[in-house]
Amino acid sequence: AQSVTQLDSHVSVSEGTPVLLRCNYSSSYSPSLFWYVQHPNKGLQLLLKYTSAATLVKGINGFEAEFKKSETSFHLTKPSAHMSDAAEYFCVVSGSGGYQKVTFGTGTKLQVIP
Amino acid sequence: DAGVIQSPRHEVTEMGQEVTLRCKPISGHDYLFWYRQTMMRGLELLIYFNNNVPIDDSGMPEDRFSAKMPNASFSTLKIQPSEPRDSAVYFCASKVSGPTEAFFGQGTRLTVV
Repeated sequence: AQSVTQLDSHVSVSEGTPVLLRCNYSSSYSPSLFWYVQHPNKGLQLLLKYTSAATLVKGINGFEAEFKKSETSFHLTKPSAHMSDAAEYFCVVSGSGGYQKVTFGTGTKLQVIP
Repeated sequence: DAGVIQSPRHEVTEMGQEVTLRCKPISGHDYLFWYRQTMMRGLELLIYFNNNVPIDDSGMPEDRFSAKMPNASFSTLKIQPSEPRDSAVYFCASKVSGPTEAFFGQGTRLTVV
């Protein structure tokens, strides 16, 4: 079984300040973890992925995430928020081997205040 | 590659009618997923296939929903009869085996009136 918990449904930051979106996961297998972004009325775009290589993963648009097995966390960060970052962000877990179910978290809506 | 292709992009239908949503996965991908997105429930996994075989349909809300994958390049999600509460955006995604990401289509926005 697997699941993800996104700890905040809404996060509000000022432009130019750091962003932290929190995600905890649970998996019976060695998981792959992803962050996707969805802008209003748009599709889903991959931001970054962790697939058992380096624990600090860099993605597009300056986003990063760190895989911490001991904390079962995969938090998304960005040093400086931009207005264009306003969107909904989803933490996603996928299994391995014969269990490749892709499960989404409930999403975090990021608001960026000018 | 053209990516995951869904059709139609928008569908408006009357309650009680049959609705069929279509998906063409990326060539060579052996997993296909159907999701439903609503404001109230977020993104829900309805069903997924591996090599055209349904693996987990526990997310299908009721018997009115059915999904098929007759071959590696085509899948359908059918709702019969449709109800207003089925109004949502339905996404199809595909991936290859292994620690890889899923690629999503642009979605079908279904409105049942």
